[in-house]
Amino acid sequence: QKEVEQDPGPLSVPEGAIVSLNCTYSNSAFQYFMWYRQYSRKGPELLMYTYSSGNKEDGRFTAQVDKSSKYISLFIRDSQPSDSATYLCAMSIYNTDKLIFGTGTRLQVFP
Amino acid sequence: DSGVTQTPKHLITATGQRVTLRCSPRSGDLSVYWYQQSLDQGLQFLIQYYNGEERAKGNILERFSAQQFPDLHSELNLSSLELGDSALYFCASSAQSGSTYEQYFGPGTRLTVT
Repeated sequence: QKEVEQDPGPLSVPEGAIVSLNCTYSNSAFQYFMWYRQYSRKGPELLMYTYSSGNKEDGRFTAQVDKSSKYISLFIRDSQPSDSATYLCAMSIYNTDKLIFGTGTRLQVFP
Repeated sequence: DSGVTQTPKHLITATGQRVTLRCSPRSGDLSVYWYQQSLDQGLQFLIQYYNGEERAKGNILERFSAQQFPDLHSELNLSSLELGDSALYFCASSAQSGSTYEQYFGPGTRLTVT
């Protein structure tokens, strides 16, 4: 079993929809949680960074962490075709630098 | 643009050969990380350097090595290349070492081994 599980998709939604992307993990020592967006043939771009449990909002993006369920989510409101990309969750243990990534979910937003 | 630069963008080479990938971190960043991204394995952490010294090691093969120079740029050396080494190799940097510091990724080097 992988430490971080993520549905590969693809997830196809119409423009304006609310998108929910999720990851589950098995290591309860993870404390830092990140979401990266990766366009085709580009490097991952950091979207959201949260510590421990709770919510964090940035514009159309909201990240949620539920440590009791070992479950994290990224919500995208009013999705746009430009949001079409692969979304990678990543996490790390306190005071370590090693990021463990999910395999990514491919999102397609059609006009 | 993350501020992290990587060269070359593409590299095509034959099995058994050796290549060097180069990374320049964001200005002021002391930590450099190397990752490998393949279709079947996803993004895998290879190794981290902090201010010239190796700080953490991940799933890095013995045929691979890295170093960070006094000007903080880093090189990843891949030798005795095999077909399975074909992948995207990313470099990331962060201001310091530790999980509280966000990692910013470069555009990657696409390696094709034939």
